[in-house]
Amino acid sequence: EIVMTQSPATLSVSPGERATLSCRASQSVSSNLAWYQQKPGQAPRLLISGASTRATGIPARFSGSGSGTEFTLTISSLQSEDFAVYYCQQYNQWPTFGQGTKVDIK
Amino acid sequence: EVQLVESGGGLIQPGGSLRLSCAASGFTVSGNYMNWVRQAPGKGLEWVSIIYSGGNTYYADSVKGRFTISRDNSKNTLYLQMNSLRAEDTAVYYCARVRSGNGNYFDYWGQGTLVTVSS
Repeated sequence: EIVMTQSPATLSVSPGERATLSCRASQSVSSNLAWYQQKPGQAPRLLISGASTRATGIPARFSGSGSGTEFTLTISSLQSEDFAVYYCQQYNQWPTFGQGTKVDIK
Repeated sequence: EVQLVESGGGLIQPGGSLRLSCAASGFTVSGNYMNWVRQAPGKGLEWVSIIYSGGNTYYADSVKGRFTISRDNSKNTLYLQMNSLRAEDTAVYYCARVRSGNGNYFDYWGQGTLVTVSS
């Protein structure tokens, strides 16, 4: 099983600031990496697949980068609706998720 | 419009059985790879099972031998039969679609149904 590790566990950011979230895989997953956003009481929503391809309808302020074992999700200018928990998921083997990064208001 | 609606969750005693349903609209379950993903209260996400368009099924080790994924093409509905339930199976269960031909990432999710295993 590929273990996904996200950091930090919590990120406190002011609206309008940039947020950078990290995800590390225990072995290479190539570019088979997705990012999801989850708000309280809601299902996860796909943001990014293929490490860097935004899903339909996802604003351009969300960007993904990386390959192999190190990945980053960047939110260029945080809006109020972006405060949520973010998960990375590898699909190079059977799917596994990181433990999540909570982005909250500073 | 793609939509997934789960049902069938509830409170069940340890050792009991439950069947979850996921009604799909806007696409065919038979033409895509359908999954169950769960989330224990306050915890992260765990993939549970997949059924491919060809009918092959696979399970996480944590549920293998106890859970069975299936689909009814005529009803465009996905199922998860859960037997020998344990306290650690308590979670919100989501059905999620992997678009056929894509990698195993989940582009659409249902709203989830809560399963609570407790005496």
